[in-house]
Amino acid sequence: GQNIDQPTEMTATEGAIVQINCTYQTSGFNGLFWYQQHAGEAPTFLSYNVLDGLEEKGRFSSFLSRSKGYSYLLLKELQMKDSASYLCAELDSNYQLIWGAGTKLIIKP
Amino acid sequence: IAGITQAPTSQILAAGRRMTLRCTQDMRHNAMYWYRQDLGLGLRLIHYSNTAGTTGKGEVPDGYSVSRANTDDFPLTLASAVPSQTSVYFCASSEEAGVHEQFFGPGTRLTVL
Repeated sequence: GQNIDQPTEMTATEGAIVQINCTYQTSGFNGLFWYQQHAGEAPTFLSYNVLDGLEEKGRFSSFLSRSKGYSYLLLKELQMKDSASYLCAELDSNYQLIWGAGTKLIIKP
Repeated sequence: IAGITQAPTSQILAAGRRMTLRCTQDMRHNAMYWYRQDLGLGLRLIHYSNTAGTTGKGEVPDGYSVSRANTDDFPLTLASAVPSQTSVYFCASSEEAGVHEQFFGPGTRLTVL
């Protein structure tokens, strides 16, 4: 079956680093997306990984290990505006996105 | 307009009523999608369209229908609303189906009583 797992909620301190993990179980994997969703708003694209390794984009980085069915989103130098939900989504064999329930990140001063 | 819009923003609907949620994009994207988002669950795909004139069923299509008469518009219809269809509905589009970033509309909050 297809199952995306990510923690429900995480708390971190402003200025710190946080890693949000995501695991997936599926055949026909075609890539892994991360989206950010602020409360009451629409999701917005952060990153896409299809090959193993780390993709860095400013304060945000995303990592993929296909052999382990594992990805993480790394957020550095946390700011209060980073308080949001982070959604992991796998592109399946039909090229449709299968979404995790999201990780709510709470940033404390 | 620029991007993707949805209407209405929110709606309260009596059970059994018919309702159409509107979605329009001006990015000339070929692929469009309808999702519902419920607390504690991930976004779930209702229907999709890879190009104008074609549609497909997603994970939770029952009780919903769509049409794609042109590139820009992708309405979602609830033929006879039920309380379990209370949700936030997001329309999204991407340049092509598959390995492309999806752009989301602002969402429609629907309550069925």
